[in-house]
Amino acid sequence: AQKVTQVQTEISVVEKEDVTLDCVYETRDTTYYLFWYKQPPSGELVFLIRRNSFDEQNEISGRYSWNFQKSTSSFNFTITASQVVDSAVYFCALSFVGGGADGLTFGKGTHLIIQP
Amino acid sequence: NAGVTQTPKFQVLKTGQSMTLQCAQDMNHNSMYWYRQDPGMGLRLIYYSASEGTTDKGEVPNGYNVSRLNKREFSLRLESAAPSQTSVYFCASSPTGVGKAFFGQGTRLTVV
Repeated sequence: AQKVTQVQTEISVVEKEDVTLDCVYETRDTTYYLFWYKQPPSGELVFLIRRNSFDEQNEISGRYSWNFQKSTSSFNFTITASQVVDSAVYFCALSFVGGGADGLTFGKGTHLIIQP
Repeated sequence: NAGVTQTPKFQVLKTGQSMTLQCAQDMNHNSMYWYRQDPGMGLRLIYYSASEGTTDKGEVPNGYNVSRLNKREFSLRLESAAPSQTSVYFCASSPTGVGKAFFGQGTRLTVV
């Protein structure tokens, strides 16, 4: 069975600080996808990134960066120079490749609070 | 530019009542999903449909039924609502089984 663990339940930082959200996953599959989604207070789910298990390159998108380490089964998310608008619940998720649609296994989420 | 549309957005039911949550996508995706979100639990998969005419159970299917009416529509039915089904329900679609999932706005359901 697959499992996604988001280490921090809640993180609170002051604006402009850097913050890292940790995600550890378990799967027996050799091929899989990893995702991060953002859920702002309005409630919708916003896709941030998808990473294939064969691609261990780190990804940077503006203030956001992701560190994928297959050796430690981790897919961590860093926000640099955080802003109040980054306040949201962030979900890490795991899916597998092939065999039809099985959906995503989500972590329980990390509530990120950015204080002005 | 609708994407995934869920109706209704809010609903209050009495225990034992039935209702159907509707979901439609206009992106020609093959795969569709229903998730529920409970405080501190993340999202959990209820049912999914890999293609028109097929449905499969997810992690928490008990108390629910689904219908993939056509490629666009995937409905979730509660035959006899229970307070444990109070939750926020999300419908999602995906172009493949493991691609980026597009989510609807959610339905907040309260069973009293």
